[in-house]
Formats: sequence, C-alpha cells, structure tokens
Amino acid sequence: AQTVTQSQPEMSVQEAETVTLSCTYDTSESDYYLFWYKQPPSRQMILVIRQEAYKQQNATENRFSVNFQKAAKSFSLKISDSQLGDAAMYFCAYRSAILGSQGNLIFGKGTKLSVKP
Amino acid sequence: NAGVMQNPRHLVRRRGQEARLRCSPMKGHSHVYWYRQLPEEGLKFMVYLQKENIIDESGMPKERFSAEFPKEGPSILRIQQVVRGDSAAYFCASSLSGGRTYEQFFGPGTRLTVL
Repeated sequence: AQTVTQSQPEMSVQEAETVTLSCTYDTSESDYYLFWYKQPPSRQMILVIRQEAYKQQNATENRFSVNFQKAAKSFSLKISDSQLGDAAMYFCAYRSAILGSQGNLIFGKGTKLSVKP
Repeated sequence: NAGVMQNPRHLVRRRGQEARLRCSPMKGHSHVYWYRQLPEEGLKFMVYLQKENIIDESGMPKERFSAEFPKEGPSILRIQQVVRGDSAAYFCASSLSGGRTYEQFFGPGTRLTVL
C-alpha cells in the first residue's frame, strides 16, 4: 500500500522569505501523480501544484515550485516570497496512475505553515 | 460555472441519530469521491461512486456508513447511529471521469459534530 509522510507538523516563515515543506512517499508503482494542496482556515481544499512521475522536470506555478526526487521518493514544496495569505495547512498527496486504478488520493498528515509579518 | 457544493456546511447530531451529508458535483461530472478528515489529520479516502454505482468502498467503515449517487440528485453519505468518533470534516470531490487522468475538484466540506 502507498503511504505519504510529512515529517514537519508546523513550519514558520517570515513574510517575503522562502520556505520548503517536506514530503516523502512510499510506493512500488512506477506511474503516479503527486500533489500539494493548501487548506486555509476556511477548510476549502485548493490544489497548489501537481507533478506527473514520468516527468523529470520539476513543476512550477508562480511562487510555488517542487523538488521531485523520484529515486529518493521525495517531493518537497518551495514557496518563494511568502505572503500572509500563504498561511494554511499544506497537504502532500499521492494518486496512482496505473491503468485500472480508481484515482483516489492518499494524503499526508499535513504541515501547518505560519507566515510572520 | 458552480463548483462542487456540499450541504449542510455544519451539522450537529446527538449520539444515536442519523447524519445525511449531500454533495452536488460540478456540472457534467459523474464521478464522486468522499473523504473524511479527523481532527489534526489528513484526508482519508472513504468511497468512490459513479452515477448509480459504488465503484470502490474500501475506505468506508463496514457498519453504519453508506453512500449513494442516484441518477438524479446529489450524492449522499449517510451515517446511522452516530458516535462521537464520527465527528470530523467530510469532503467530497468530483471529477469528469474516474481513474488516473482526471483532476478532482473539492467541495467546501461538511463539519459533523456529534454531541
């Protein structure tokens, strides 16, 4: 079975600085997707960034980028120029891309990010 | 284009009562996933449904929980005889199709409190 581990329950960053959130996962599959979701106090789940395992190039979305290390099964999220609105819970998630898979997401326990003004 | 809608947003029940949570997927979406988020935890998959079919219920507790997605109307997650341990946020996500290639869009969740 696949598992996702986020080893940092809480992180803090100064506004305008850069922070990196860690995520490791365990799988025997070769084809999968990885995601970072943001959950602000409203509890709405917002997709931040997505990475296909077959792509070597790290995904980037504006101030958000990932460091995908497939061999190490590591998928960290870097937030540059942190803003107060980035304060939220961040969840790393895995989804199988194997033919016939149902597509359900497997989540880590989350990292609570605080942004200091 | 309305997103995924869930109601109620907050639901309070006493132990032993029934809870019904509703999820209306995005327009054109015929696949629904339900997830549960216990306090201080990540979301955990419960059940995956297509219209009129349960595809995968491997994450659903065997007793008291059931789900349906009728041909017309929203998907319903039903919890009978609720207990305090059922207190959680319940999220549904819809997708255009199932499986690996289609993004899931999440609703705002229903927060269930069992007194």
